[in-house]
Amino acid sequence: QKEVEQNSGPLSVPEGAIASLNCTYSDRVSQSFFWYRQYSGKSPELIMSIYSNGDKEDGRFTAQLNKASQYVSLLIRDSQPSDSATYLCAVTISYNNNDMRFGAGTRLTVKP
Amino acid sequence: DGGITQSPKYLFRKEGQNVTLSCEQNLNHDAMYWYRQDPGQGLRLIYYSQIVNDFQKGDIAEGYSVSREKKESFPLTVTSAQKNPTAFYLCASSIVVSTPPGEAFFGQGTRLTVV
Repeated sequence: QKEVEQNSGPLSVPEGAIASLNCTYSDRVSQSFFWYRQYSGKSPELIMSIYSNGDKEDGRFTAQLNKASQYVSLLIRDSQPSDSATYLCAVTISYNNNDMRFGAGTRLTVKP
Repeated sequence: DGGITQSPKYLFRKEGQNVTLSCEQNLNHDAMYWYRQDPGQGLRLIYYSQIVNDFQKGDIAEGYSVSREKKESFPLTVTSAQKNPTAFYLCASSIVVSTPPGEAFFGQGTRLTVV
């Protein structure tokens, strides 16, 4: 089983809709969870970080964490064409605080 | 400007050659990482270092070597033992002393091609 799993997509949503991106992880005691956005040919940039169960909102982005289900999601409200990118889920592995592992990413396309 | 600088942006390697990718950060971060990304895939960890003069292997360390002689610098050497080195290489850094562990920040990447 992969440590961090995401649907590869592509996920296509119309402009103005809500995009929902999902991620599951295998290490039950993982502590920190991150969503990165990566445009084609560019390096990843941090969108959201979440550390405790529940929701965390930042502008149009909401991260949701459920440690019991080992599940983390990212919602993008009012999706814009500029949100079209690959979204990477990252998790720190518990036995080494700074050993960060990434999912394969979900490619999102927002159609005008 | 604080940040992470990778160089060169593009690098071409001949068969059997060793090449070194540079990564420098002025964020005063303790931890530094090297990831490899192949087309359409996620990031795979090559090596990471949490402190000067110490580093650990990631999932795909074979054919690569690193050094951490200074806090600011974490160069990656792709040796001739790495049979399929063509990829996008990303360097990142993060603060070690944080609970819970903090996020990683990335350089702009080096695209390595074997010719």
